[in-house]
Amino acid sequence: NAGVTQTPKFRVLKTGQSMTLLCAQDMNHEYMYWYRQDPGMGLRLIHYSVGEGTTAKGEVPDGYNVSRLKKQNFLLGLESAAPSQTSVYFCASIRDLMNTEAFFGQGTRLTVV
Amino acid sequence: DAKTTQPNSMESNEEEPVHLPCNHSTISGTDYIHWYRQLPSQGPEYVIHGLTSNVNNRMASLAIAEDRKSSTLILHRATLRDAAVYYCILRDTGYSTLTFGKGTMLLVSP
Repeated sequence: NAGVTQTPKFRVLKTGQSMTLLCAQDMNHEYMYWYRQDPGMGLRLIHYSVGEGTTAKGEVPDGYNVSRLKKQNFLLGLESAAPSQTSVYFCASIRDLMNTEAFFGQGTRLTVV
Repeated sequence: DAKTTQPNSMESNEEEPVHLPCNHSTISGTDYIHWYRQLPSQGPEYVIHGLTSNVNNRMASLAIAEDRKSSTLILHRATLRDAAVYYCILRDTGYSTLTFGKGTMLLVSP
């Protein structure tokens, strides 16, 4: 039981390049989330999904797109990376809304130069 | 989401109890109080949650004020591994998102 796995763990991009971050969970959770965390800050929600085939915007969605074609995977895309997107990205999943705990991945450290 | 207020940082000595406070004066009747912590260079991890009654688990205890406008996370014997940022979060069962503030950075000295 791996929990929540993020790929890759580290990446350096040039401004304007694109990339996709993959989040995979093996717990059959309905809800999945992408957060970003900047130095000295708490986590800010980018996008989330309440089930397979659904996505919704969070607090800071601009510059990102997401897809949830399979229940176990939640992809975060950067179409044209900017230095302001340099951050640590965390994925999380929750089984349902009955106040169960959220499980987080180990993070992806992204640097855009 | 209702807001929470936590001190920016707290210090403790190893093997001493730690009481981490959280104020949430605008809490609604259906908001659960959740605590997460984030160890250095790791993703957040769940610690404990409760609604009205005090809660205990293997990691910590959660003491909730009678009017629910504040709560305290209690680590009974701090270890060096407990040095982390602790987040107090309110979450309504009707909402699917989890909103993080800046949390409290707990420093533990040997």
